Amino acid sequence: GAGVSQSPSNKVTEKGKDVELRCDPISGHTALYWYRQSLGQGLEFLIYFQGNSAPDKSGLPSDRFSAERTGGSVSTLTIQRTQQEDSAVYLCASSSQTGVNTEAFFGQGTRLTVV
Amino acid sequence: AQSVTQPDIHITVSEGASLELRCNYSYGATPYLFWYVQSPGQGLQLLLKYFSGDTLVQGIKGFEAEFKRSQSSFNLRKPSVHWSDAAEYFCAVGARGGGLTFGKGTHLIIQP
Repeated sequence: GAGVSQSPSNKVTEKGKDVELRCDPISGHTALYWYRQSLGQGLEFLIYFQGNSAPDKSGLPSDRFSAERTGGSVSTLTIQRTQQEDSAVYLCASSSQTGVNTEAFFGQGTRLTVV
Repeated sequence: AQSVTQPDIHITVSEGASLELRCNYSYGATPYLFWYVQSPGQGLQLLLKYFSGDTLVQGIKGFEAEFKRSQSSFNLRKPSVHWSDAAEYFCAVGARGGGLTFGKGTHLIIQP
């Protein structure tokens, strides 16, 4: 597609339920990132995928969070047993190559509300 | 570990006035620096980036930023702001493995 696509755009879930957030990166982009944006907290790095390499999971806040990327393209971020503090906007980004000197293109985000 | 500080949470500027948004970074090597803008309800858009070379970089929408190694700063400037510039601005530094570390953002308000 023309840009990074995320779904759903909004998700309301009950505390304790599991949720899955989806990201379709720009076609051909090998790198994919997940960030979390909480009010007043800026963007928090969660996880980074590059091609078929093992992902950098250093930003995942707890073992309730996991992510996978199938076929080097679509990625799913899963949050198990959601808590109210998980409420945030989850942003996905992709870039065409690895390394720090490349531009990341962001999706519109998924707004997660845990009630 | 790398970090980014944006000391101003909110800034209010009159339309037509000049703008400077501050960004300070901490990084163990030559930094790769970015400014992104997030308009209400929109995703993040890259304004400009610095990798090497000329320390004054030009971006889109009339923005520029100057890299000052001695001050560990990468401040964003615009000579004359427009009402459409009202948004959240994020400074970011490139991290090992390709991830970006972002500051907490500066919310820009434009007064008529």
